[in-house]
Amino acid sequence: GQSLEQPSEVTAVEGAIVQINCTYQTSGFYGLSWYQQHDGGAPTFLSYNALDGLEETGRFSSFLSRSDSYGYLLLQELQMKDSASYFCAVRDEDYGQNFVFGPGTRLSVLP
Amino acid sequence: SAVISQKPSRDICQRGTSLTIQCQVDSQVTMMFWYRQQPGQSLTLIATANQGSEATYESGFVIDKFPISRPNLTFSTLTVSNMSPEDSSIYLCSVVWDRGSVYTFGSGTRLTVV
Repeated sequence: GQSLEQPSEVTAVEGAIVQINCTYQTSGFYGLSWYQQHDGGAPTFLSYNALDGLEETGRFSSFLSRSDSYGYLLLQELQMKDSASYFCAVRDEDYGQNFVFGPGTRLSVLP
Repeated sequence: SAVISQKPSRDICQRGTSLTIQCQVDSQVTMMFWYRQQPGQSLTLIATANQGSEATYESGFVIDKFPISRPNLTFSTLTVSNMSPEDSSIYLCSVVWDRGSVYTFGSGTRLTVV
């Protein structure tokens, strides 16, 4: 089976940098994704890492270490609009190459 | 990327009744997925729907309770049957693209069973 762990809540102030960690256990790892979901909204894609290293997209970066079964999402220059839930998701060969979602991290950005 | 229209956006239903949720995609896709998200929780896959074949259900979900149709490559429906308050949740359809690495989700259906 698969299991993913994320912190349940993170709080930071505007302009700060925050890192949301994700650890996973899976036997058929393909890649790690991050999704953002605002209250009442649908999840939206942020990033996908299949290889080790850091991927940067604007204020958001995502990191993967396959040997450590670990990844993180880094949000820089936080804005109030970044307040949302963030889900890591593992693409698993043993799950038909579909994604299994983590429990989610609720980020609150304070003024 | 694909654009998905999902409806209804929300509904309040009486227990024992059924609700059918529709998803229309603006491009042809092989697989569509149906998820359930209970308030404050993560997304749980209900089933995968391929055109022209029976849907594949995940553990804990059965066809009699959640029948799915996939009549063509751009449309799918999920029915929540014989509803109980425990079925109150958000239901989301999604499609995968970019060689299976990216999901796009519909806007969701917020279901309340009373």
